Amino acid sequence: DTGVSQDPRHKITKRGQNVTFRCDPISEHNRLYWYRQTLGQGPEFLTYFQNEAQLEKSRLLSDRFSAERPKGSFSTLEIQRTEQGDSAMYLCASSSPVGTQFFGPGTRLTVL
Amino acid sequence: AQSVTQLDSQVPVFEEAPVELRCNYSSSVSVYLFWYVQYPNQGLQLLLKYLSGSTLVKGINGFEAEFNKSQTSFHLRKPSVHISDTAEYFCAVSEAGNAGNMLTFGGGTRLMVKP
Repeated sequence: DTGVSQDPRHKITKRGQNVTFRCDPISEHNRLYWYRQTLGQGPEFLTYFQNEAQLEKSRLLSDRFSAERPKGSFSTLEIQRTEQGDSAMYLCASSSPVGTQFFGPGTRLTVL
Repeated sequence: AQSVTQLDSQVPVFEEAPVELRCNYSSSVSVYLFWYVQYPNQGLQLLLKYLSGSTLVKGINGFEAEFNKSQTSFHLRKPSVHISDTAEYFCAVSEAGNAGNMLTFGGGTRLMVKP
């Protein structure tokens, strides 16, 4: 068990570009979560999947954001037409259906 | 919906002193409660959780927390801190009945342990 992994760890992009992040959950976990954490704040929920189904989305997830989990394993989070306000740490977590969430190291996005 | 308030944004303390990090929550339903720790440029690590049973919960690294339903609090304590405990601490809640539900976090408390 190698824990939750995220790639890349850091991403610097220019405003208006598209970015995609990947999360690989703990292998036996069927729930996967995305959170966003801005500087000096606690993480905020974005969305979660049970297997390949996206079951809940926060109002924070604007139409520029899309998340997928095509085969119920890894997940991707894409941000289109990035804005400076998108700069944040994007955290992924996974859990079993009634288990505790385990977090990955995060992807830090900087939009110039 | 739930909300979490961490009353102190920063807590400075000397090494080997006791510390308490305060957390209050608001919810119209029963909740599960969690404390996570975050070291610089890293993800969150679970310290401890309260799901049911004894209101005094013991976690890793010598931390413990007590669930007080009447005061809607879940304060984190450690009797003697180390320099290595310097980190950001987050209190979180989720709707009871399903520990896999989304977490609502407080704003965090930065614990600064001084030699």
